[in-house]
Amino acid sequence: RKEVEQDPGPFNVPEGATVAFNCTYSNSASQSFFWYRQDCRKEPKLLMSVYSSGNEDGRFTAQLNRASQYISLLIRDSKLSDSATYLCVVNIGDSNYQLIWGAGTKLIIKP
Amino acid sequence: EAQVTQNPRYLITVTGKKLTVTCSQNMNHEYMSWYRQDPGLGLRQIYYSMNVEVTDKGDVPEGYKVSRKEKRNFPLILESPSPNQTSLYFCASCVGRVGGFGELFFGEGSRLTVL
Repeated sequence: RKEVEQDPGPFNVPEGATVAFNCTYSNSASQSFFWYRQDCRKEPKLLMSVYSSGNEDGRFTAQLNRASQYISLLIRDSKLSDSATYLCVVNIGDSNYQLIWGAGTKLIIKP
Repeated sequence: EAQVTQNPRYLITVTGKKLTVTCSQNMNHEYMSWYRQDPGLGLRQIYYSMNVEVTDKGDVPEGYKVSRKEKRNFPLILESPSPNQTSLYFCASCVGRVGGFGELFFGEGSRLTVL
């Protein structure tokens, strides 16, 4: 079993719709969680951190479920520009070198 | 402009021909790291450096070398490249508080093909 698993997709979603995807992790000692966004042939960029209480940034909401060991990302009112691959990242320690990356979920927003 | 710069962006080489991928950041970050990205796999860390003259192996260090003689530069060296090192490589940097985590800033990537 991979340490961090994501549905690779692609998720094909009409513009304006709400879409959600999950990421499961296997290490129960994982301490912090993040979503990065990666556009085609580009570098990853931090989208948002995921806090225990859940957090929202505009149209994006991230949730953490420690009991079931998954994090989720919800995108409301999706835009064409949201098309990208979303990478789930789990920190199993307390420093940068202990990051475990998921392979990503590809999202395609269609007009 | 704050950035991480990698060169070359694209390279096709042959087995056994030594090559270096350079990485430079202008943000005075302490932490720097190299990753490779392959289809169907998450980013895998090759080497990282917490500060000048301090480097450590990541998850897939075999076949690679690094050095950190200056804070801003962190070159990746492939002494004798092999086809299984064909990949997309990313350099990243971060403020890197010891014991803490900060946002990783990535270079644009270097696509390497080894024939």
